[in-house]
Amino acid sequence: DQQVKQNSPSLSVQEGRISILNCDYTNSMFDYFLWYKKYPAEGPTFLISISSIKDKNEDGRFTVFLNKSAKHLSLHIVPSQPGDSAVYFCAASAFMDSNYQLIWGAGTKLIIKP
Amino acid sequence: SAVISQKPSRDICQRGTSLTIQCQVDSQVTMMFWYRQQPGQSLTLIATANQGSEATYESGFVIDKFPISRPNLTFSTLTVSNMSPEDSSIYLCGGTGGSGYTFGSGTRLTVV
Repeated sequence: DQQVKQNSPSLSVQEGRISILNCDYTNSMFDYFLWYKKYPAEGPTFLISISSIKDKNEDGRFTVFLNKSAKHLSLHIVPSQPGDSAVYFCAASAFMDSNYQLIWGAGTKLIIKP
Repeated sequence: SAVISQKPSRDICQRGTSLTIQCQVDSQVTMMFWYRQQPGQSLTLIATANQGSEATYESGFVIDKFPISRPNLTFSTLTVSNMSPEDSSIYLCGGTGGSGYTFGSGTRLTVV
């Protein structure tokens, strides 16, 4: 049972345009959502996060939108740059059954074309 | 964010042996985690490393197979015990304490 889903395994975007990465979740107990960026042979690096009490968080070229009613979040990158080519993971966290849990999506590979 | 040094970065091990992976953080982190990423799959949480007490394991992972230590707030180890080829994977430690998360660079384990 996948609680966090990234339905697009890959996405190709022209340099300078907007990249939109999507993530859906099923568990309403998630209270914090995170996006990570991963280059080959490296560990994921934290990118941006959003609390469930907000619907938008912006940091430079990166904006995350949260639609709780639809259980959907998206990461917008604008303008897209060649260095943005990487795999992007969304993750959701909650305290459940007295444990802190972090659930990951399968990732979306973003390719920025020159 | 904290910086995590993870080692070894990669290893090739014989079936039936054990490997211990270490993570050292340059500052205190509240929580440390161990993950596994198998080819083509998302990161899977193995356990939460608790300081000074037994780790909290996720469903499907047991202490006998993946013993974890966390003697203080800046250091943790994961041992992959009695390895089989199915344990071949990337193992990642991660931590959170201030804003956001930090991960180690990963250990690529191949069991032959």
